[in-house]
Amino acid sequence: EPEVTQTPSHQVTQMGQEVILRCVPISNHLYFYWYRQILGQKVEFLVSFYNNEISEKSEIFDDQFSVERPDGSNFTLKIRSTKLEDSAMYFCASSVSSGSVYEQYFGPGTRLTVT
Amino acid sequence: AQSVAQPEDQVNVAEGNPLTVKCTYSVSGNPYLFWYVQYPNRGLQFLLKYITGDNLVKGSYGFEAEFNKSQTSFHLKKPSALVSDSALYFCAVRDINSGAGSYQLTFGKGTKLSVIP
Repeated sequence: EPEVTQTPSHQVTQMGQEVILRCVPISNHLYFYWYRQILGQKVEFLVSFYNNEISEKSEIFDDQFSVERPDGSNFTLKIRSTKLEDSAMYFCASSVSSGSVYEQYFGPGTRLTVT
Repeated sequence: AQSVAQPEDQVNVAEGNPLTVKCTYSVSGNPYLFWYVQYPNRGLQFLLKYITGDNLVKGSYGFEAEFNKSQTSFHLKKPSALVSDSALYFCAVRDINSGAGSYQLTFGKGTKLSVIP
């Protein structure tokens, strides 16, 4: 069964450093998403991406964040200058189409620790 | 704004007994509702969804959920729990009326289910 994959599984970085989290969505999916979960809190939406542009973003997704689909398979989330409060589990997801009847499939997550 | 509440942080049930994991939601319009499960070191795995139609929806691994519009609930159920069902369960909602181009899911905090042998 096709799966969303994410690398690395765990990333430790120092405050102020740039990090790039990588995701490979399911191959025939067209919509891509990033969510995050701070330890002990809810899973929160960050951004959705379609046709090489952001279709929606939350208030969390400020100028420090960016997303890119650099080739036909990868989908990345970049945090330009990490802060302590960026420490969280980051989940990538994809769906085959835009309608909400199409469930989103999630990767295993990248645990980001900012020290 | 849409929101989801999972009132129980943890649910313990004996193997073979029925289980219920509770979820209530709040949306301004009509909801699309989802249940996901997360096993240790794995991603969120889709279990089932309610879009329209029959209020009782069936999903993977013998799980089902009942949509109750008057109580704004979407409780997850299984007639006979297995030890392998032990995991973290998330309820999620999207408001049908949240606008074109809005596909974000709003999640509950999650409920840890422990099935005791």
